Amino acid sequence: EAQVTQNPRYLITVTGKKLTVTCSQNMNHEYMSWYRQDPGLGLRQIYYSMNVEVTDKGDVPEGYKVSRKEKRNFPLILESPSPNQTSLYFCASSLTQGVDEQYFGPGTRLTVT
Amino acid sequence: GDSVTQMEGPVTLSEEAFLTINCTYTATGYPSLFWYVQYPGEGLQLLLKATKADDKGSNKGFEATYRKETTSFHLEKGSVQVSDSAVYFCALISRGYQKVTFGTGTKLQVIP
Repeated sequence: EAQVTQNPRYLITVTGKKLTVTCSQNMNHEYMSWYRQDPGLGLRQIYYSMNVEVTDKGDVPEGYKVSRKEKRNFPLILESPSPNQTSLYFCASSLTQGVDEQYFGPGTRLTVT
Repeated sequence: GDSVTQMEGPVTLSEEAFLTINCTYTATGYPSLFWYVQYPGEGLQLLLKATKADDKGSNKGFEATYRKETTSFHLEKGSVQVSDSAVYFCALISRGYQKVTFGTGTKLQVIP
């Protein structure tokens, strides 16, 4: 089944404790992206990747890191999480960019206390 | 920069009512436009898309027409069902850029 998977689905952590949210797709897509969803703000793009070893900042990259060492994986790293990073996070992928449909993962709900 | 403006929700309709959710945009060049739907507890799914002016995207009874002159991409459905209750997001990708811009989402509730 074609899908985007994220882990964990739910995470409660404390300020400053490094964490990684994994994202994997099995569709051989080139383009992958991370979003955060907050009430009243919709989805905002954090980082995106056009292909392996090619990443760039979205609209809200501060406090986040990403890497793209393999085509299928695009982990999101929070080196020192803070409470303002409490949010619902989505990973997405598409065949290329531009007119292509994005396929979204199920989401990761992160709470930073 | 690019931006997408959607009508404020929530929108509450009775079953079989006509639906319009407004979406306007500002963008560099000629973007591709999308409507995504998010059902409770799930990720977003593509509902429909249009890639150039005057294109009409359609799916599951929903339609939206790319209007360049009014920079709009309003979502319509002639007769909504309870199962259409969800959050709807308008989005764009500007040509030559890689960033995706979403609107804030409009929650639709359909009551029997």
